[in-house]
Amino acid sequence: NAGVTQTPKFQVLKTGQSMTLQCAQDMNHEYMSWYRQDPGMGLRLIHYSVGAGITDQGEVPNGYNVSRSTTEDFPLRLLSAAPSQTSVYFCASSYADSSNYGYTFGSGTRLTVV
Amino acid sequence: GESVGLHLPTLSVQEGDNSIINCAYSNSASDYFIWYKQESGKGPQFIIDIRSNMDKRQGQRVTVLLNKTVKHLSLQIAATQPGDSAVYFCAENTQGGSEKLVFGKGTKLTVNP
Repeated sequence: NAGVTQTPKFQVLKTGQSMTLQCAQDMNHEYMSWYRQDPGMGLRLIHYSVGAGITDQGEVPNGYNVSRSTTEDFPLRLLSAAPSQTSVYFCASSYADSSNYGYTFGSGTRLTVV
Repeated sequence: GESVGLHLPTLSVQEGDNSIINCAYSNSASDYFIWYKQESGKGPQFIIDIRSNMDKRQGQRVTVLLNKTVKHLSLQIAATQPGDSAVYFCAENTQGGSEKLVFGKGTKLTVNP
């Protein structure tokens, strides 16, 4: 059981380049989310999904796109990378039942935009 | 707006002591709170959670206390160990579902041997 897998772990982009950060979970969780973490800051929500085919914006969605074609995968696309998008990106998946919510985070992708 | 903050950015304790990490939240409608531990270079790791209909919940060596009157959350770690050294975040769920969390900025806990 791998949990939440993010690839790549590290990436350097030039300003204006595009790329996709991959996220996959094998726990059959309904919900998936993308967060970014900047130095000295907590995690801020970029986009989230409550199920296949359903996505919505979080706190800082500008410059990012997402899609959820399957339950397992939730890729994050940077359309035209900017230095302000230099950050560590975390994907999370979660479930909800009557008694608690369960959140699992991936190990992160460290992105540098030069 | 919604915000979750921490009273102290850093906390240093001696091994074996108890640690208390505090968190203030501003959204009285939040109904679910989580504490996460994040070690250097790793993703956040779930520690313990609590619903708004509770004021205390205990886990293994950890206790979370919730005071809704003053909108305050705390994490108590008993007999702190060097392996507990990490950044601790509180997070609140404000939407009623589990897909959105608002995180605080974190407290760095250092355990001295």
